[in-house]
Amino acid sequence: RKEVEQDPGPFNVPEGATVAFNCTYSNSASQSFFWYRQDCRKEPKLLMSVYSSGNEDGRFTAQLNRASQYISLLIRDSKLSDSATYLCVAPYGNNRLAFGKGNQVVVIP
Amino acid sequence: EPEVTQTPSHQVTQMGQEVILRCVPISNHLYFYWYRQILGQKVEFLVSFYNNEISEKSEIFDDQFSVERPDGSNFTLKIRSTKLEDSAMYFCASSEDRGGGQPQHFGDGTRLSIL
Repeated sequence: RKEVEQDPGPFNVPEGATVAFNCTYSNSASQSFFWYRQDCRKEPKLLMSVYSSGNEDGRFTAQLNRASQYISLLIRDSKLSDSATYLCVAPYGNNRLAFGKGNQVVVIP
Repeated sequence: EPEVTQTPSHQVTQMGQEVILRCVPISNHLYFYWYRQILGQKVEFLVSFYNNEISEKSEIFDDQFSVERPDGSNFTLKIRSTKLEDSAMYFCASSEDRGGGQPQHFGDGTRLSIL
């Protein structure tokens, strides 16, 4: 099983709609997770940290299911500026991050 | 907001040459990292560095690669005898502390093109 798996999409979302996607991870010992946002050919930028069952920040909600080893991200009221790739990230080993391939979101006017 | 800064933004080098990529981590951070992203692929871990020594490295980080913190602010990645497959975006990152609970903050990357 890969360290972090994501369905790359793309996820075409009408402006104002809600989109959600999951990622799965293999390391059951991981205690915290992260969602990063990456725009085309740019650096990953931290969107949210997920330490317990979930976290909410404005229109973004992340949830963690330890039993099934998956993390989800939900974006409400999608904006055109939300178009990006969302990277699911889990810590492994000493202190390295393992990245998924990302979920590409395209918000359509 | 403090940032990780990287130079140069783009480096073009002939195959077989050596390159040095530079990073200035966030000033109060103690842990430093290099990652790379080949075009169209996922971000891959290369190496982590703490207290002037490597704390973890991936299979990618072989003898061709080295890291150094030559002074109190810079953190460098040296790639010797570059190959075509070294072409990628190289990201430096830093974190306040180690451990899975600490997010890492990324610089805006150096695009390395090997000809």
